[in-house]
Amino acid sequence: GNSVTQMEGPVTLSEEAFLTINCTYTATGYPSLFWYVQYPGEGLQLLLKATKADDKGSNKGFEATYRKETTSFHLEKGSVQVSDSAVYFCALSDRTGNQFYFGTGTSLTVIP
Amino acid sequence: DTGVSQDPRHKITKRGQNVTFRCDPISEHNRLYWYRQTLGQGPEFLTYFQNEAQLEKSRLLSDRFSAERPKGSFSTLEIQRTEQGDSAMYLCASSLAASGSGEQFFGPGTRLTVL
Repeated sequence: GNSVTQMEGPVTLSEEAFLTINCTYTATGYPSLFWYVQYPGEGLQLLLKATKADDKGSNKGFEATYRKETTSFHLEKGSVQVSDSAVYFCALSDRTGNQFYFGTGTSLTVIP
Repeated sequence: DTGVSQDPRHKITKRGQNVTFRCDPISEHNRLYWYRQTLGQGPEFLTYFQNEAQLEKSRLLSDRFSAERPKGSFSTLEIQRTEQGDSAMYLCASSLAASGSGEQFFGPGTRLTVL
């Protein structure tokens, strides 16, 4: 079956620190992979995506590379800001796009 | 605002009452999804529609839950005889079936509290 496992939080970092949030997946076939972000009081927003192996998704300084050999899609940012404080969800969809499978979310707090 | 909208944003009800939520997807999107999210968890898939057809339902969706999308546009999710365990955030998302990546766009959610 399909599933996503992501690093448990909460994560607290100082501003300008390096961020990594680990995500691994189990899937049949070749899924698409996503990172969604949920800011306090708001709905989920797509942060970045990758649709095939070795693709790198990037947005707002965040990056993640689709690694088929390690079944991973780790989220990274070189220098976090207070405004990055949110909950981050790793997700996958199968090729039909019929269902999304989400990880449990990782809460990030960035302190000045 | 042309995003996904949901109504109401918050609902407080007493156990045993029925509730209905509405979702308006992005207008050109033909797929519509319902999810449930509890505190500290990721969204869990409940059901999805392509146009007006309900194509898949999760085993999480008990017979007290019913969803409709009568004209292939907005959708409603009804919960009958609510229980305290139904308290959660109910999320709606929409997408284009033709989109190869299956990217979904989420609404702000309806937070249900069952007393």
